[in-house]
Order: sequence, then structure tokens, then C-alpha cells
Amino acid sequence: EPEVTQTPSHQVTQMGQEVILRCVPISNHLYFYWYRQILGQKVEFLVSFYNNEISEKSEIFDDQFSVERPDGSNFTLKIRSTKLEDSAMYFCASSEGWDTYGYTFGSGTRLTVV
Amino acid sequence: DAKTTQPPSMDCAEGRAANLPCNHSTISGNEYVYWYRQIHSQGPQYIIHGLKNNETNEMASLIITEDRKSSTLILPHATLRDTAVYYCIVRVEGNKLVFGAGTILRVKS
Repeated sequence: EPEVTQTPSHQVTQMGQEVILRCVPISNHLYFYWYRQILGQKVEFLVSFYNNEISEKSEIFDDQFSVERPDGSNFTLKIRSTKLEDSAMYFCASSEGWDTYGYTFGSGTRLTVV
Repeated sequence: DAKTTQPPSMDCAEGRAANLPCNHSTISGNEYVYWYRQIHSQGPQYIIHGLKNNETNEMASLIITEDRKSSTLILPHATLRDTAVYYCIVRVEGNKLVFGAGTILRVKS
């Protein structure tokens, strides 16, 4: 079964450092997403991406965050200057289409900011 | 905010059917109901979705009431590996999923 692959599985970074979280979506999927989950809290939407541009973003996704699809396979989330409160599980997801399709989520990257 | 209400937790005996309810009384006519689950801190896993008609796949069945104000996810023969948090989600405008707190399903032997 096709999978969404995320790397690394765990990243520890110092406050103020830049981090890049990487994802390889399913190859024939066209829509890409990032979600996050702070320990013990709900899964929260960050951003959706289609046709090489952001289609929707949440209030969490401020100027410190950016997404990119640098080549035909990778989808990245960059946090420019990490804060302690950015510590969370970050999940990448992809879907074949819009609205009536289920997403496939990756297994996540645990980001710890110290 | 999530447009759905689910019980915080449920128990089910191994091998029995698990019936997880969800209320979505403010659902609009063109909004789908989706079910996902999350095992430990893994990524959410898509289970099933539907609009009006009942749906079945290899994982589960989804029963939607005629007025569409509630639905039930049925796992026909629950196993210990089905222990997870189950999320009922009504997909609102745009292309994002709004997760609530879900139902913690504990399958017990």
C-alpha cells in the first residue's frame, strides 16, 4: 500500500534555529498538507498546498513557517526560528483529489525545541 | 471548531462489534462525514467517509441517519489492534480537516 514518508522521525533543535521537515507524498497525489499535534492536544491543521502554491493556511501558519515542493517528489515544512511552543508532532498528508477524498498521513516527525 | 460531538471513551470486547456514535446536527447538505483513527502518536489513518448512503469497506461500515444529523462507525469484529482514538469529522469549507477530541476506543480481551 502506498505510504507518505516523513523524515526525520525525531528532530531536536535549539530555540531560534531553523528546521526543515521533509515529506514524500504518494506519487499520484496532487494535494499536500501539514498538520501538527502538541502532546496531549488535538491534531491541528497548518497548511494545504496545491499546484505549487498554498491553497489554505491556519492562524498558526505565520511568517515563521513556509512550505515548498522543491522537486517532483518532496514536500517540506520550514520553521525559520523555532520557539519552545513549536515542539509537537508534525504530520504530512496527501490526497488524490479535493473535498471527497480521504487523506493519507505520514507517521510524523517529533520536533523537540530546547 | 469541530462540528461533531463524540463520547470521550468507549470499551468493547475483543471479537465483538464496536459501534462508535457521532452527532453532527449542523451538517450541511453537501458536507461529507469522515472517520479517521489515531493509534498512539502515529499519523491519523483514514477509515471511511460518506455523504448520505451507508458505506462499507474492508475496515468498517458507516451508517448515516436519514436526516444526516448523526452517524455510527461500526467495526464488525474489533481486535486489540483497533484500540485507538477515533475521530468523526465533518469537512467544512475548504480542504482542511478539523479534528475534535475524538472517542478513545479500548478493546479488551
